[in-house]
Amino acid sequence: EPEVTQTPSHQVTQMGQEVILRCVPISNHLYFYWYRQILGQKVEFLVSFYNNEISEKSEIFDDQFSVERPDGSNFTLKIRSTKLEDSAMYFCASTLPRGFGKNIQYFGAGTRLSVL
Amino acid sequence: AQSVTQPDIHITVSEGASLELRCNYSYGATPYLFWYVQSPGQGLQLLLKYFSGDTLVQGIKGFEAEFKRSQSSFNLRKPSVHWSDAAEYFCAVGDEANDYKLSFGAGTTVTVRA
Repeated sequence: EPEVTQTPSHQVTQMGQEVILRCVPISNHLYFYWYRQILGQKVEFLVSFYNNEISEKSEIFDDQFSVERPDGSNFTLKIRSTKLEDSAMYFCASTLPRGFGKNIQYFGAGTRLSVL
Repeated sequence: AQSVTQPDIHITVSEGASLELRCNYSYGATPYLFWYVQSPGQGLQLLLKYFSGDTLVQGIKGFEAEFKRSQSSFNLRKPSVHWSDAAEYFCAVGDEANDYKLSFGAGTTVTVRA
């Protein structure tokens, strides 16, 4: 069964450094998402991406964050200057909507980001 | 805006006993509802979904959920739990008007005792 893959599984970085989290969505999917889960908290929506542009973003997704689909397969989340509070599990998801509301988002296994 | 409430933070159940996890949602239109499971160190796996039609939906691993519009609920059930069901369970509502983004509940951690 096709799956969403994320690399790396764990990223450790120093505060102020840039990080890029990578995702390969399912190949025929059209919508791509990033979510994050701070330890012990709920999964939160960050951003959705469709037709090569951001279609919606949350308040969390400030100017430090950016997303890109550099080629036909990868979908990346960049954090320009990491802060301690960016430490979280970041999940990528993708979906191919099949009519009114009938979408299922498939999630990757996540990248655990630790900012020291 | 949509929201999801999972009232139970932690549930402990004996192996072989039944399990019910509660989920209440707030959403202005027809909700699209999901249950995901997250095992330790793993990603989110879809257990089941409700889009329309039959309000009792069957999922993987023997789980089922019932949509009750009058109660704004989508509770997850399993008649007999296995030790491998120990995990965190998330209820989510999809927002068709906003790129289908998901809003998650805070999750319920299930512990299975022998």
